[in-house]
Amino acid sequence: AQSVTQLGSHVSVSEGALVLLRCNYSSSVPPYLFWYVQYPNQGLQLLLKYTSAATLVKGINGFEAEFKKSETSFHLTKPSAHMSDAAEYFCAVNFGNEKLTFGTGTRLTIIP
Amino acid sequence: KAGVTQTPRYLIKTRGQQVTLSCSPISGHRSVSWYQQTPGQGLQFLFEYFSETQRNKGNFPGRFSGRQFSNSRSEMNVSTLELGDSALYLCASSMGPPSYNEQFFGPGTRLTVL
Repeated sequence: AQSVTQLGSHVSVSEGALVLLRCNYSSSVPPYLFWYVQYPNQGLQLLLKYTSAATLVKGINGFEAEFKKSETSFHLTKPSAHMSDAAEYFCAVNFGNEKLTFGTGTRLTIIP
Repeated sequence: KAGVTQTPRYLIKTRGQQVTLSCSPISGHRSVSWYQQTPGQGLQFLFEYFSETQRNKGNFPGRFSGRQFSNSRSEMNVSTLELGDSALYLCASSMGPPSYNEQFFGPGTRLTVL
């Protein structure tokens, strides 16, 4: 079955430290991949998306993600965490069936 | 440009009742998708409408239904509510298919079933 796995439902990093949120998917077909962010009491907002143009995708707020086909991964990174990055992050994948499958989310906490 | 709006924001119902949630997409967006968000299951896709037609459906029972009007506004209905239906229901709109277009999400309707 096609699935999206986000390792770590909760991640804590210190302010200024590297942020790494993991996303793996199960598919042999290169999909469309997205990262969305949800701030408290708000809907989701698109951070970035991969559409096969380039394996390293840059998004908003200094985030970027690298598509690695051999590892079926699309991990999200940011070099230096800011307090405003505290939110829940969702990886989403289109497996070619016109539906978007979301991971279960990773809640990011920033330690001052 | 106004964002996606959802009404009501909060709703409390009892088991067995039915509920209707409303979503107004961004002007010009013809695709509207609905998701159920719960702490344990994350975001689960309910259905997607495009030009008044249901284009995709998730794995939810028939108690969950929806429709889209000619102005792209959408409603979803849940009949015979169960405790497990308590969740945040999110609506999202996009220019085209949500599978590869950016979706814009509303703030959600939080449904509590007692």
